[in-house]
Amino acid sequence: NAGVMQNPRHLVRRRGQEARLRCSPMKGHSHVYWYRQLPEEGLKFMVYLQKENIIDESGMPKERFSAEFPKEGPSILRIQQVVRGDSAAYFCASSPGTGGLYEQYFGPGTRLTVT
Amino acid sequence: AQSVAQPEDQVNVAEGNPLTVKCTYSVSGNPYLFWYVQYPNRGLQFLLKYITGDNLVKGSYGFEAEFNKSQTSFHLKKPSALVSDSALYFCAVRVGSGNTGKLIFGQGTTLQVKP
Repeated sequence: NAGVMQNPRHLVRRRGQEARLRCSPMKGHSHVYWYRQLPEEGLKFMVYLQKENIIDESGMPKERFSAEFPKEGPSILRIQQVVRGDSAAYFCASSPGTGGLYEQYFGPGTRLTVT
Repeated sequence: AQSVAQPEDQVNVAEGNPLTVKCTYSVSGNPYLFWYVQYPNRGLQFLLKYITGDNLVKGSYGFEAEFNKSQTSFHLKKPSALVSDSALYFCAVRVGSGNTGKLIFGQGTTLQVKP
């Protein structure tokens, strides 16, 4: 059973460009979470999605950031008009259900560098 | 506010000695607690979790954690450290109810095990 897959692993964008980060959850998992890890910091929750629905986006910046998890295909985290402060590692996690019983399984992350 | 604290940025132990990585939490209601480990340039790997039941939880790679409700702590322990245990360790608590499954992470503790 393949783990959570993220691509690309490394992404370099110039200021003002768009960044698209993809996440394929583990087989059988329908819950996806996105976290951001800034340098020298812990992980911060961004958004929680189920298929075709955003459940909790309380950690998403109000502008430029969006996320989706379509019926078919991977979950996408989209950052428009990137700025240097967006440089970070972005991790996706998946779980088979919600609630405290299920741990989240993390992907290897996408390291975004904005130049 | 619900939070997790890891009071030590770094813990140094000699190989073969016991190790403890500290974590305290502040949540309303019953806590669901997790420990994850992160190796350089990798995603997070799940170690163990406390949901309910026995206060001593056993996990992967010989790690265990002790839940202490009165002290609101969930310290990670291992009886005999290995050099290969050197990594970044995160404590996390699941917050929210119903369909919210997000994790709140501590800032992380770097464990250095010296030969």
